Amino acid sequence: GENVEQHPSTLSVQEGDSAVIKCTYSDSASNYFPWYKQELGKRPQLIIDIRSNVGEKKDQRIAVTLNKTAKHFSLHITETQPEDSAVYFCAATGRRALTFGSGTRLQVQP
Amino acid sequence: GAVVSQHPSRVICKSGTSVKIECRSLDFQATTMFWYRQFPKQSLMLMATSNEGSKATYEQGVEKDKFLINHASLTLSTLTVTSAHPEDSSFYICSAGGQLNYGYTFGSGTRLTVV
Repeated sequence: GENVEQHPSTLSVQEGDSAVIKCTYSDSASNYFPWYKQELGKRPQLIIDIRSNVGEKKDQRIAVTLNKTAKHFSLHITETQPEDSAVYFCAATGRRALTFGSGTRLQVQP
Repeated sequence: GAVVSQHPSRVICKSGTSVKIECRSLDFQATTMFWYRQFPKQSLMLMATSNEGSKATYEQGVEKDKFLINHASLTLSTLTVTSAHPEDSSFYICSAGGQLNYGYTFGSGTRLTVV
């Protein structure tokens, strides 16, 4: 089955700085890679996703890149704000259930 | 957009009792429902996949006789935790994905505490 590894587990940045979270996956058949933001006790919220036929996608301050050859994808958050503080999960799937990474706790210091 | 309603949001039960969690897709037909469990400060781990009208497929290490899943209609899937024990205390969350829906819609989650 799919295995997704995520790094770092915790990330602390100053407000206004950029944050990068990286994930690798094992199953070359995976073709959908969403990123979720989860606040304590709440459901994961989709923040951006990318499909395997695209190398990069951007939505305002958030961008995701995908390298299919290396089987890794990354989340980039620019101009971070305190409200970006949360746990972020990457995931991968090939039309089955999502396999999640272990999560990154992002803390944006004001 | 697609909405999945999950109930209850919180439940406290005594050891040995059973708890039923419901997930309903409100504005689309969920042919497939995924059930996840999330322990504190950990990731979401897939427990089982249910397809409407057929038996659920359980992940390795998940007891099918303890976690009963029913997906009798295209809009409702239920997870029953039978003979609950304190170690079953966790955040349970469903996710619906229809055949033509390439995305995944999560329920709001259920915080189960077994005392």
